[in-house]
Amino acid sequence: DAEITQSPRHKITETGRQVTLACHQTWNHNNMFWYRQDLGHGLRLIHYSYGVQDTNKGEVSDGYSVSRSNTEDLPLTLESAASSQTSVYFCASSAWTGATDTQYFGPGTRLTVL
Amino acid sequence: GESVGLHLPTLSVQEGDNSIINCAYSNSASDYFIWYKQESGKGPQFIIDIRSNMDKRQGQRVTVLLNKTVKHLSLQIAATQPGDSAVYFCAENLMTTDSWGKLQFGAGTQVVVTP
Repeated sequence: DAEITQSPRHKITETGRQVTLACHQTWNHNNMFWYRQDLGHGLRLIHYSYGVQDTNKGEVSDGYSVSRSNTEDLPLTLESAASSQTSVYFCASSAWTGATDTQYFGPGTRLTVL
Repeated sequence: GESVGLHLPTLSVQEGDNSIINCAYSNSASDYFIWYKQESGKGPQFIIDIRSNMDKRQGQRVTVLLNKTVKHLSLQIAATQPGDSAVYFCAENLMTTDSWGKLQFGAGTQVVVTP
């Protein structure tokens, strides 16, 4: 069955370190997304990609970057981790059909920045 | 598990009863709506969707109702079960070429099923 996976599931790091969160999907979807979920804010879009070599900033992109070298993977990098980036991160993918835009989510990565 | 939100509206439902979860969406031009379920420690799971040219859609034990006049969406769960305990949230999309994948998510409602 097609799925979307994230790794690691839990990560503790220190302020200033570079961190990369992995996202891998086997849906063969063109669209991939990264969100963060915090108390009181719901899901907020960080970055998204419509295909290989395409990346776009979402509403909370500062301090994050992504790259898309193939269809299956969209790693999220925190260049210099800050305590404000402690959160739960979700990756999602979708296939635009013109009629629907259902996003399928991974299990999440809990990141703690000390 | 991952924290979803401690300050969400909560709906307490007795097992076997029907649940109705409400969502007020923000953009009258939104054309596509989705309901997600998120259990503790898991990612959001797709439940059902609806386009704006419909006012009702049914799935297995779930029904989504759309009232465009008042920008209101509801999710009805029939014969609520303990496994339905989760946070439920709606999402909307304009479905234009500028809005691909840009789902706007609501804050969510915590559903607690009691025996």
